[in-house]
Amino acid sequence: SQQGEEDPQALSIQEGENATMNCSYKTSINNLQWYRQNSGRGLVHLILIRSNEREKHSGRLRVTLDTSKKSSSLLITASRAADTASYFCATDRNNFNKFYFGSGTKLNVKP
Amino acid sequence: SQTIHQWPATLVQPVGSPLSLECTVEGTSNPNLYWYRQAAGRGLQLLFYSVGIGQISSEVPQNLSASRPQDRQFILSSKKLLLSDSGFYLCACRDRSSTDTQYFGPGTRLTVL
Repeated sequence: SQQGEEDPQALSIQEGENATMNCSYKTSINNLQWYRQNSGRGLVHLILIRSNEREKHSGRLRVTLDTSKKSSSLLITASRAADTASYFCATDRNNFNKFYFGSGTKLNVKP
Repeated sequence: SQTIHQWPATLVQPVGSPLSLECTVEGTSNPNLYWYRQAAGRGLQLLFYSVGIGQISSEVPQNLSASRPQDRQFILSSKKLLLSDSGFYLCACRDRSSTDTQYFGPGTRLTVL
């Protein structure tokens, strides 16, 4: 069964705007990861945040983690048309061997 | 870094036919390996994972099986395909010695008619 649930399911913004996606999960975790998938392709790892971290940055990406609320957010600043893709969060449910993905947020950045 | 190869890229098979999808990994040793299935417009469902040669864990009961005959080879099989087996199959690996990051292959699009 899936662990994370992203919202919104779909998001459409103009180039240059910020995009925020959220992920909620149900069980305790060691870490949470965000991935990106272009249509019909494999997933690409974006960023990993550990359960003892609250915020992490990578380029235009900012991820936050609130373990008390069992939620995470991914912020993409100054979005570009090339950011158009589906974004997934994945958690490990305290098992380093397994990862569970949410249903994803489909982001459309209009030029 | 790791490179994951999957083939074929696309496959159209009749109901009741067998299936064999192959995944090979380069650039790492003794990785964890994973098979996921993705239905159209949906998230990834973990099907199988393996922590070593011959060690397979199944996540959901289904019509599929997996094998790991070599350290960097992971095979997904079925003896008789069902319509519900259609989907996008992704292989992934995790290098346990470095990070918790998973690296994904390009996927195989399977259509069962």
